[in-house]
Amino acid sequence: GAVVSQHPSWVICKSGTSVKIECRSLDFQATTMFWYRQFPKQSLMLMATSNEGSKATYEQGVEKDKFLINHASLTLSTLTVTSAHPEDSSFYICSVQTGGSEKLFFGSGTQLSVL
Amino acid sequence: GENVEQHPSTLSVQEGDSAVIKCTYSDSASNYFPWYKQELGKGPQLIIDIRSNVGEKKDQRIAVTLNKTAKHFSLHITETQPEDSAVYFCAASQGNFNKFYFGSGTKLNVKP
Repeated sequence: GAVVSQHPSWVICKSGTSVKIECRSLDFQATTMFWYRQFPKQSLMLMATSNEGSKATYEQGVEKDKFLINHASLTLSTLTVTSAHPEDSSFYICSVQTGGSEKLFFGSGTQLSVL
Repeated sequence: GENVEQHPSTLSVQEGDSAVIKCTYSDSASNYFPWYKQELGKGPQLIIDIRSNVGEKKDQRIAVTLNKTAKHFSLHITETQPEDSAVYFCAASQGNFNKFYFGSGTKLNVKP
């Protein structure tokens, strides 16, 4: 399967600060990446679809000004949580879909804790 | 839109026994059904998948069956081992570049 690298694996920050999470596709070029959010003991919630070179498509209810997504290259997408607050604390996971295949591969996730 | 339901939410089995997790979906246009295993603090890992033109697929101790008419698919794990303990998610999709709809997850506990 595809190798998806996500960093950092965990981050603790103060309320009001911004946090950037990186997602890299290591062994292939990904034109589309997806960002998910997961609360404890819950399923995966799609936040946005990130397309290389264009604006991300956000799901209903997800604030695009709060969760900034950049997909500047075919191997890198970033999620920036701006002015983070305790309610933003969650597990964030990126995923990629290989070109020509419907298979979806996930990164290792980032646990964000906002104090 | 698509709605995927997954049962049971928790499942405890004795090591060596089989485990079955079931999912139903609502949209007949869905044609790709993957299963993921998620260990604590990690991202989901694709363990097996099936396309709608196939009724069953097997990979060693893991198998998936699909009933298109009834719109349900199941994950079967035989000869369970403690390392199979994790949360398993089913999903449905209409293929490449389309959204994935996930079930609510099943926490499998394999007791030694």
